[in-house]
Amino acid sequence: GIQVEQSPPDLILQEGANSTLRCNFSDSVNNLQWFHQNPWGQLINLFYIPSGTKQNGRLSATTVATERYSLLYISSSQTTDSGVYFCAVEVLRTGGGNKLTFGTGTQLKVEL
Amino acid sequence: DAGVTQSPTHLIKTRGQQVTLRCSPKSGHDTVSWYQQALGQGPQFIFQYYEEEERQRGNFPDRFSGHQFPNYSSELNVNALLLGDSALYLCASSPWEETQYFGPGTRLLVL
Repeated sequence: GIQVEQSPPDLILQEGANSTLRCNFSDSVNNLQWFHQNPWGQLINLFYIPSGTKQNGRLSATTVATERYSLLYISSSQTTDSGVYFCAVEVLRTGGGNKLTFGTGTQLKVEL
Repeated sequence: DAGVTQSPTHLIKTRGQQVTLRCSPKSGHDTVSWYQQALGQGPQFIFQYYEEEERQRGNFPDRFSGHQFPNYSSELNVNALLLGDSALYLCASSPWEETQYFGPGTRLLVL
């Protein structure tokens, strides 16, 4: 099956700093999503981004499907950005269905 | 508009017991997917239900089974619980083959 790797595994930032998280995948994908998992376990949708660039406030994401990677940018980080960031991919499948294969995650801690 | 809801929020069981977890999808969604997230890992796909049928299944043993009801809600059943089944169980709902939205999860501890 498809492999999804994220880097770095852990990241500590001072409030106000910028960061880039990376997601590499081993095969062509139909869809890619970024999620933020808060300390209580809730997965929050950030971006649905199979290709191209999207921005939402201080967050933006870029997926280069031909090179099989995606980047999540966090600018002017805040303590509320702390948590685990996951990318997840879907592979087109005959018979239908759209299971998500998650990456290994990046644990982010933003300190004052 | 309520999002995806799951019950119970926490559960403690003993090895060998059986457990049922429940999920109500977001309004307008007809597809429910279940994921298992062990501590320190990413969620792993268990199965997906649409039109009351299991449409796709991940690499989980037959001890894991599910059901979808006519109102699109779903149950996940796990038989003969093992210590390794301790995890956060996440339900996601969506329109068929569209973006999935996750519930808050059920934390299962098997002793």
